[in-house]
Amino acid sequence: GQQVMQIPQYQHVQEGEDFTTYCNSSTTLSNIQWYKQRPGGHPVFLIQLVKSGEVKKQKRLTFQFGEAKKNSSLHITATQTTDVGTYFCAGPVGYDKIIFGKGTRLHILP
Amino acid sequence: GAVVSQHPSWVICKSGTSVKIECRSLDFQATTMFWYRQFPKQSLMLMATSNEGSKATYEQGVEKDKFLINHASLTLSTLTVTSAHPEDSSFYICSARRTGTPNTGELFFGEGSRLTVL
Repeated sequence: GQQVMQIPQYQHVQEGEDFTTYCNSSTTLSNIQWYKQRPGGHPVFLIQLVKSGEVKKQKRLTFQFGEAKKNSSLHITATQTTDVGTYFCAGPVGYDKIIFGKGTRLHILP
Repeated sequence: GAVVSQHPSWVICKSGTSVKIECRSLDFQATTMFWYRQFPKQSLMLMATSNEGSKATYEQGVEKDKFLINHASLTLSTLTVTSAHPEDSSFYICSARRTGTPNTGELFFGEGSRLTVL
């Protein structure tokens, strides 16, 4: 079946360093979403990308949707301790389901 | 913003008993809600899709008779873990999508319910 794969599974970075997580789908996606889950919390929607090659920015976060609409990335510039958490990408399946990647857990070293 | 409330936040029960978890969309209507299970430090495993006024659609490997889902109104879905066993201990999270938004629209998540079965 359709899969959404995400790498890396874990990432430890020094505060101030950049961070990137990558998402790949086995099929072309109509759109891709990104969510953040803080430790002990619930996922919170960050953004949705729809267009091929789309790039969107939210302050230090840059989201990109591949030209083939099968991959996406989230890049954080100059990480801060508030960036700690797990970042999930998610893509639609069938009529109304959304499947999630396994997530990338970001840990910031002070 | 849209708020989804999930109750209880945590529950401890004895093996063999049933536990009901509620998921409410507080300021919007949700024709479709989703139930997930999340093990520590792992991803969200979709259990079922809950549709208002109809039977839930369960993912492969999820026991329908064990995880009863009811979506009686546009703002409430419930998950009942029947005859709970220690292996059912987990973090259960619901999400909802606003009625009328595209079927690929943003999901709003509840705070989650941590179930511990003794």
